[in-house]
Amino acid sequence: ETAVFQTPNYHVTQVGNEVSFNCKQTLGHDTMYWYKQDSKKLLKIMFSYNNKQLIVNETVPRRFSPQSSDKAHLNLRIKSVEPEDSAVYLCASSWGQDTQYFGPGTRLLVL
Amino acid sequence: AQSVTQPDARVTVSEGASLQLRCKYSSSVTPYLFWYVQYPRQGLQLLLKYYSGDPVVQGVNGFEAEFSKSNSSFHLRKASVHWSDSAVYFCAVRNYAQGLTFGLGTRVSVFP
Repeated sequence: ETAVFQTPNYHVTQVGNEVSFNCKQTLGHDTMYWYKQDSKKLLKIMFSYNNKQLIVNETVPRRFSPQSSDKAHLNLRIKSVEPEDSAVYLCASSWGQDTQYFGPGTRLLVL
Repeated sequence: AQSVTQPDARVTVSEGASLQLRCKYSSSVTPYLFWYVQYPRQGLQLLLKYYSGDPVVQGVNGFEAEFSKSNSSFHLRKASVHWSDSAVYFCAVRNYAQGLTFGLGTRVSVFP
């Protein structure tokens, strides 16, 4: 049963555009994450966030930013997309450092 | 820094045969370890996890894994695979406050 929801499923855009992806969890967790999965299936953490602290992977370009309205939502904004941003973006949530539960992902294609 | 190595990029097995997927980790402290599975065009689903205690942990769908501190390993096993086990399997270690560090994954293909 899905408890981490992501929209949209798929998004196609052009270089330089701004995009925003949504993530909502209904598990009552206090920590949320964004991961990037490239075409070779390599998974890398981008951000982890709870109501106290945002931790950014130092390799993430500045055009990426997380946005949270409450602890159940963590959106991902890309200010000006580049071709290398084409990937699947996976949202996850956890209670503290416990098990992470993943959403189905948002597939981004940058033309 | 913590890291995970999955040495086998692809594994092919016949339906009904046993399966073992290898995972080696590097960590300066006792790690929290996970196995996730990813079916085509889906997110990651947790198979099992190890925090402490009995080194053999049971997971969903008949999967189990064995933790070995001496070998720095956390291998995944299943006694008899089904065609529906075809997927990509990821081993991961919890990197405190930085989310999970994943291996590159092992693609499993089960043939009838």
